[in-house]
Amino acid sequence: GAGVSQSPSNKVTEKGKDVELRCDPISGHTALYWYRQSLGQGLEFLIYFQGNSAPDKSGLPSDRFSAERTGGSVSTLTIQRTQQEDSAVYLCASSRTGFGNTIYFGEGSWLTVV
Amino acid sequence: AQSVTQLGSHVSVSEGALVLLRCNYSSSVPPYLFWYVQYPNQGLQLLLKYTSAATLVKGINGFEAEFKKSETSFHLTKPSAHMSDAAEYFCAVMGETSGSRLTFGEGTQLTVNP
Repeated sequence: GAGVSQSPSNKVTEKGKDVELRCDPISGHTALYWYRQSLGQGLEFLIYFQGNSAPDKSGLPSDRFSAERTGGSVSTLTIQRTQQEDSAVYLCASSRTGFGNTIYFGEGSWLTVV
Repeated sequence: AQSVTQLGSHVSVSEGALVLLRCNYSSSVPPYLFWYVQYPNQGLQLLLKYTSAATLVKGINGFEAEFKKSETSFHLTKPSAHMSDAAEYFCAVMGETSGSRLTFGEGTQLTVNP
């Protein structure tokens, strides 16, 4: 079966531009997560969607970051007015409903801000 | 709040030698614990998961981990290292106070020498 799919796999953008990163979770998974992986920062939680509940946005680093999930499936992470410190790998993950379920990760979107 | 500490950001072993990657967690209640592996330019792949069913957990590729509540540890081992084991390894905890999201350790880069 298909895993978590992310696009684009690589993105180079100029400072100040907006970018959108897309995530298509595993079919049937109601929970969706975004993490950021950057040098020196490890893996940072950004945002968590669970079904129709309000998302947990507690990890978003600034108001330039936002995410939405349409129809309980595909999610888009948007970074406005990108800065060089936004350069990182953005990992999307999904899981079935319920505490303790395994979280499956996509290959990531590599973002470079120049 | 949960936290995870991985002792040793870099571990180097010879091919055929024992692999031991250390992970200690902080949680007020027994959590779910995970080990993920990340090969170069790839996403995270689940190695194994502790769910309280058994303290010794066997995973893929010959890896196993033992949950020791008294030591708050969940160290990852493999009896005999292969060259293909070279990768970065992440320990993660999922605890009730953080909902269903994972909190990761800083990662351990494993090098296997011929």
